[in-house]
Amino acid sequence: GEDVEQSLFLSVREGDSSVINCTYTDSSSTYLYWYKQEPGAGLQLLTYIFSNMDMKQDQRLTVLLNKKDKHLSLRIADTQTGDSAIYFCAEISMNRDDKIIFGKGTRLHILP
Amino acid sequence: EAEVAQSPRYKITEKSQAVAFWCDPISGHATLYWYRQILGQGPELLVQFQDESVVDDSQLPKDRFSAERLKGVDSTLKIQPAELGDSAMYLCASSVSGEGIQYFGAGTRLSVL
Repeated sequence: GEDVEQSLFLSVREGDSSVINCTYTDSSSTYLYWYKQEPGAGLQLLTYIFSNMDMKQDQRLTVLLNKKDKHLSLRIADTQTGDSAIYFCAEISMNRDDKIIFGKGTRLHILP
Repeated sequence: EAEVAQSPRYKITEKSQAVAFWCDPISGHATLYWYRQILGQGPELLVQFQDESVVDDSQLPKDRFSAERLKGVDSTLKIQPAELGDSAMYLCASSVSGEGIQYFGAGTRLSVL
């Protein structure tokens, strides 16, 4: 079935760049999303990319999409302590009547 | 900025009791979703509404869970009776339409003792 995979943990030093990776299996994905979840909170939409794009930049965030390899990444430049959270990759597909599928999330830990 | 409102934020209940969660979507959003998020997992869809109609409830355990959106605006998710395995975060989301971006509320964390 359809699947979205992410690594579970990432540790990065404050000020460095963080790169969170995601792979997915559905070739009919239309949108791909990155959500951020802080402890005890709901999901905050960070950014999204259409499947016909290969890059999107928004301030410190850069999303790269390799549709051939079904690989999505989120780069956070100049990582700050406030970036500490769980980051969820998600994709939506016409094959599933636009139902969104989430990965298990990557916990980003910031080292001082 | 408009937000999805959920209440309560936290709920502790004993197994076999009934619980209910409430969600008020962003004004004008026709599509409303209820998700369950188990610790360490991503959210999983329980039910999707388009206005007052259920579009997808294939993952809703219908023997104990029910959801309604009577006037096509706010929604209630009920569990009766609650079981230990229902302990999770229950998230509500809304979007302008079924294929639009989903905006999430802060969630209700349920603990069943």
